[in-house]
Amino acid sequence: ILNVEQSPQSLHVQEGDSTNFTCSFPSSNFYALHWYRWETAKSPEALFVMTLNGDEKKKGRISATLNTKEGYSYLYIKGSQPEDSATYLCAPPVTSGSRLTFGEGTQLTVNP
Amino acid sequence: KAGVTQTPRYLIKTRGQQVTLSCSPISGHRSVSWYQQTPGQGLQFLFEYFSETQRNKGNFPGRFSGRQFSNSRSEMNVSTLELGDSALYLCASRIGGSSTDTQYFGPGTRLTVL
Repeated sequence: ILNVEQSPQSLHVQEGDSTNFTCSFPSSNFYALHWYRWETAKSPEALFVMTLNGDEKKKGRISATLNTKEGYSYLYIKGSQPEDSATYLCAPPVTSGSRLTFGEGTQLTVNP
Repeated sequence: KAGVTQTPRYLIKTRGQQVTLSCSPISGHRSVSWYQQTPGQGLQFLFEYFSETQRNKGNFPGRFSGRQFSNSRSEMNVSTLELGDSALYLCASRIGGSSTDTQYFGPGTRLTVL
């Protein structure tokens, strides 16, 4: 069983604040890391698929970095907006081509 | 391109009954995975089908089963329902079987077992 940890569990920020959270995973046999955003009453939405050590991906105000040697990924949101309120999930595949193992997620609430 | 669709969206059953949930993947996607989410739990993997074959299975009892048809549509069946089976069931499709293929989720089926 793959151990995926996300921290913090929840986060409350003010509109305009920048924030970041962490996904930790075993660094051995790394294949890829997926980030998802899950808004209430909607389907999880894919944000990034990261594969290489040092990878940095960006989508609007959201960016992510990857360190496969130490087994972590950071997700950053610059200038948070209320519409960023969601649970952010990370998931490394268990084996090459295999199923994703999701962390518990970080629940972000952005107050106007 | 149409997204992943799931039917029904809501379902109420009683203990001991069985239920079948349906998932239609994005056109051209060959892999369908099923997940369960219960309050306080993350997304728990149930199984994955790829080209009509079960590729992976999570740690769920044999009451949970699935299948995939030649058009990639998938069904999940739960027999002898228990109260603890009340959950949101999500399916997700991806184009192939690579660890870098993005999974696209459907809206889910909310199952309530009374």
